[in-house]
Amino acid sequence: AQRVTQPEKLLSVFKGAPVELKCNYSYSGSPELFWYVQYSRQRLQLLLRHISRESIKGFTADLNKGETSFHLKKPFAQEEDSAMYYCALRGKGGSARQLTFGSGTQLTVLP
Amino acid sequence: EPEVTQTPSHQVTQMGQEVILRCVPISNHLYFYWYRQILGQKVEFLVSFYNNEISEKSEIFDDQFSVERPDGSNFTLKIRSTKLEDSAMYFCASSAGDTQYFGPGTRLTVL
Repeated sequence: AQRVTQPEKLLSVFKGAPVELKCNYSYSGSPELFWYVQYSRQRLQLLLRHISRESIKGFTADLNKGETSFHLKKPFAQEEDSAMYYCALRGKGGSARQLTFGSGTQLTVLP
Repeated sequence: EPEVTQTPSHQVTQMGQEVILRCVPISNHLYFYWYRQILGQKVEFLVSFYNNEISEKSEIFDDQFSVERPDGSNFTLKIRSTKLEDSAMYFCASSAGDTQYFGPGTRLTVL
């Protein structure tokens, strides 16, 4: 069974401070990991995929297979980063594959 | 930029009634999904659809649920006889392969 755990329901940081949103997963194999973000009153949007190893809006995430983690990091948080962040996993094999989501972390960046 | 659209944005129904939630996926996408999120809980996978048939479905997707692509553009989720516990936000998503793009959701309230 595949599972995604986001241990922090709420996270507050001050503007300019570093931020790390934790994500751990359970999957017997090599999964694909994603971070989705949902800004207030907007739809879920893809932020990052581990495959592309890119930085979006200053955020990065590294897949650590040994620790089964995919933590999301940003060195200097901005107020506009305040949103709900979901970590998601997709198993290998075929294209029409379901995403398994974590419970989400509500990030608030304080001025 | 093309987006997934969903109608209605909010649906209120009486327990036992049938509801149809509608989605228009992004036009060149081939894979379609429904997810739901009960208030305060995780986003959960319901069903995926490819090549005019169901690819995967979760335990939640029982005989009360069905999906259809009645024409070249719409993708619908039908709940035959709604229960109180079906009250949730229902998200449609589509993809061309890897990244799933989400609609804004339909909030279903069953009274």
